[in-house]
Amino acid sequence: EAAVTQSPRSKVAVTGGKVTLSCHQTNNHDYMYWYRQDTGHGLRLIHYSYVADSTEKGDIPDGYKASRPSQENFSLILELASLSQTAVYFCASSDRLGGRYQNTLYFGAGTRLSVL
Amino acid sequence: QQQVRQSPQSLTVWEGETAILNCSYEDSTFDYFPWYHQFPGESPALLIAIRPVSNKKEDGRFTIFFNKREKKFSLHIADSQPGDSATYFCAASEGNNNNAPRFGAGTKLSVKP
Repeated sequence: EAAVTQSPRSKVAVTGGKVTLSCHQTNNHDYMYWYRQDTGHGLRLIHYSYVADSTEKGDIPDGYKASRPSQENFSLILELASLSQTAVYFCASSDRLGGRYQNTLYFGAGTRLSVL
Repeated sequence: QQQVRQSPQSLTVWEGETAILNCSYEDSTFDYFPWYHQFPGESPALLIAIRPVSNKKEDGRFTIFFNKREKKFSLHIADSQPGDSATYFCAASEGNNNNAPRFGAGTKLSVKP
């Protein structure tokens, strides 16, 4: 089974501060994603990547940057954290599209971020 | 923009009843439709999925019904059990492009004994 590890598991940040959320996967997956979860909004796509050193914007990229320095690692960066970014953040990975496990996402445990 | 719409937001059924969760989508290029479930304090996990080559997919008590013409799909949970209480997310993705799955807003299901 896919192993996706997120760190930290929870974080309290101050408004205007910089926050980095990290994600590491050990299953040789090409695709990695960052979603945020808020009550009533489900899982909304922030950034994703299908190859190292390249990232793509999702549906709500404003205020977030992403970095994919290697196939295993995918980070989400909040340069200037704001109150509205308080949420649970999930990292996920999946195998190459079109394969047997087309787009089955394996999620990390999540990071609960509180911006005060 | 909400590419995948899900209803109802919450649903309560009695044990033994069939729970029906609904989703619709806009993009005709979507060709893979999974359902994920999430138990409190846990991360989402794949429950069942369908491709539009068929209009029905069964796995035990869980069945997806798919209507390509209307761009709708639903999850039916037969003989609902209290252990099925969770939040269910539908999703849609496109297999022939370097794109990412989009999720619905979720349905919180409560099964009362």
